[in-house]
Amino acid sequence: QMQLQESGPGLVKPSETLSLTCSVSGGSISSSSYYWTWIRQPPGKGLEWIGSVYYTGGTYYNPSLKSRVTISEDSSKNQFSLNVRSVTAADTALYYCAREEFDSSSSWFDPWGQGTLVTVSS
Amino acid sequence: QAVVTQEPSLTVSPGGTVTLTCGSSTEAVTSGHYPYWFQQKPGQAPRSLIYNTNNRHSWTPARFSGSLLGGKAALTLSGAQPEDEADYYCLLSYSGPYVFGTGTKVTVL
Repeated sequence: QMQLQESGPGLVKPSETLSLTCSVSGGSISSSSYYWTWIRQPPGKGLEWIGSVYYTGGTYYNPSLKSRVTISEDSSKNQFSLNVRSVTAADTALYYCAREEFDSSSSWFDPWGQGTLVTVSS
Repeated sequence: QAVVTQEPSLTVSPGGTVTLTCGSSTEAVTSGHYPYWFQQKPGQAPRSLIYNTNNRHSWTPARFSGSLLGGKAALTLSGAQPEDEADYYCLLSYSGPYVFGTGTKVTVL
């Protein structure tokens, strides 16, 4: 059974770059049936879709974050990553990675990682 | 970017029925938005309940059902159980980018 695990610094200074990695176990990231996704949740608030990457490196992003976000994949390490540039306190959130699996007519988001809290503060 | 709106909170009696809705600020919600529904309990990651409007996973209890209702996506819980108390989020596809709904807190009381 596939499992996802987020990792990265829990504290980032304002104006710097937030960098997280999602390690995938129990299966290959290089599957044509999956997109790899980042989602975040500010403390006490709702969910926000950040973006996704395909194993070919193709990406799509939330338009409101697109100018500051890069999502990439590393098939050699079976992981994918998130970079958010020029962070502010508004980027403080629990960051989740998830797999979007799709077939000819549908897609679904499962599994999810447990989430990692990133705080932006000096 | 569209804003996806849900009821902030709903209360249902044990064994009762409640319907959550998910509306888009830009257009009526259709099957083309592939509506998704997630359940999140305190301290846990969200869990997928429904995908592509009305498809359940193997782990989704049959008391949860998805539909389209009056230009919105809907999640109906029939026969609520205490363990259904949670936050529920919808997610809509806008031909590529996704937008989550604002979330509904469901209390079973």
